[in-house]
Order: sequence, then structure tokens, then C-alpha cells
Amino acid sequence: KNEVEQSPQNLTAQEGEFITINCSYSVGISALHWLQQHPGGGIVSLFMLSSGKKKHGRLIATINIQEKHSSLHITASHPRDSAVYICAVGDSNYQLIWGAGTKLIIKP
Amino acid sequence: EAQVTQNPRYLITVTGKKLTVTCSQNMNHEYMSWYRQDPGLGLRQIYYSMNVEVTDKGDVPEGYKVSRKEKRNFPLILESPSPNQTSLYFCASSSGLAVRTQYFGPGTRLLVL
Repeated sequence: KNEVEQSPQNLTAQEGEFITINCSYSVGISALHWLQQHPGGGIVSLFMLSSGKKKHGRLIATINIQEKHSSLHITASHPRDSAVYICAVGDSNYQLIWGAGTKLIIKP
Repeated sequence: EAQVTQNPRYLITVTGKKLTVTCSQNMNHEYMSWYRQDPGLGLRQIYYSMNVEVTDKGDVPEGYKVSRKEKRNFPLILESPSPNQTSLYFCASSSGLAVRTQYFGPGTRLLVL
């Protein structure tokens, strides 16, 4: 069962394009996380949100609780944004359920 | 600097030879966990700990042990490693469960021959 689904699985775009990565979930959540995994393997937290929208630099995360859907947007994408982006939701037991990740490649 | 450290970063071993991967955090976090990451499967939780002397199984605990004798340390023990435990392992910590920012260690790449 896939309680957290990300789309697309893979995304290749040109530098400067607006990027959208989607995350849909089927459980009631306490919070939703977006994380970035660099090509070298390290994982860093980008956002944690339970409602509305958050912005950090060129990254924007939104969540629609009613539709059980979140999006991660990257404006003016750059090759250094190339990474795997992972969505994770905290369920009602406050355990994290992980998406499989979206591999993003930005070409110069 | 707030961080989660893991050692070793890379390890090649043989089937059956006990090994320990250490994890330490300097943020006084209560919650720590271990994950393995395999191609196409994403992160899967092995064990987690909500505080000292409190540990519980995650989704894939078979073949692994953990201990939490001190708040800062959460070692992962493979008593008798097998080739199917070849993977990339991450330790993570946070000040609470799913409603707090998760901090990850750099990862340990393990190859079991």
C-alpha cells in the first residue's frame, strides 16, 4: 500500500524552468515534510508544514489538507537544484510515512 | 554546530562478522531513528527511540539491534550481517516525532560480501 505517493518519479528540466513536485497522501496527518537528498547522499529538511504555504528563497511548499495534497515548487531552477526530493507525512501516531522520492535533474 | 554524526561512512564486511554503526547527536534530541535506503524503495525505518532506554521496532527490524543508553548516542548493531543488508543507512534525530524538523546524519554505505 502506498500511503504517500509522489509524482513525477523523475523530472528533467532546463535551467530557469518552474518546477512542481507533487505529494498525495491517504492518511490523516500531523505534519508534512519536504526533504532534499543531494547527489552525495546527504538529506536535509526543507520544510515542515501542516497548513497553508511556506517559502524559503526559490522554494515554495503548499499543502491542501482537504485534498490531502502538497506541492513543492522551485522557481528559476538551477543545476544545483538537482537532487532527490522526498515527501514524508506524520500520521496520527506521529510516525513518519515516506514517499519514494522524485529525482530532479536541471540541465544548464 | 548542530549535527548528527555517523561512523563509519563506508564499510565493507563479510557475512556473519558483527558490526556496529555509531550515531551521535549534539542537539539534546529525545527522538532518534535508523533508516535504510535501497534503490526504488525510499527510506524504511529500522528502529526508533523516543528517549533513553526506550526503543521500538520500525518497518524492517529483522537482523538489527539498537540500544539507547545515553541520550546522544543510538548505535545500530548487525550481529550477523548478510548480503541483503547491503544498503545505505541513515541515522536521524528530532526534538519530537513527526511534528518536528528531522536532522539526518551523512549516511553509512555498507557492503556485505
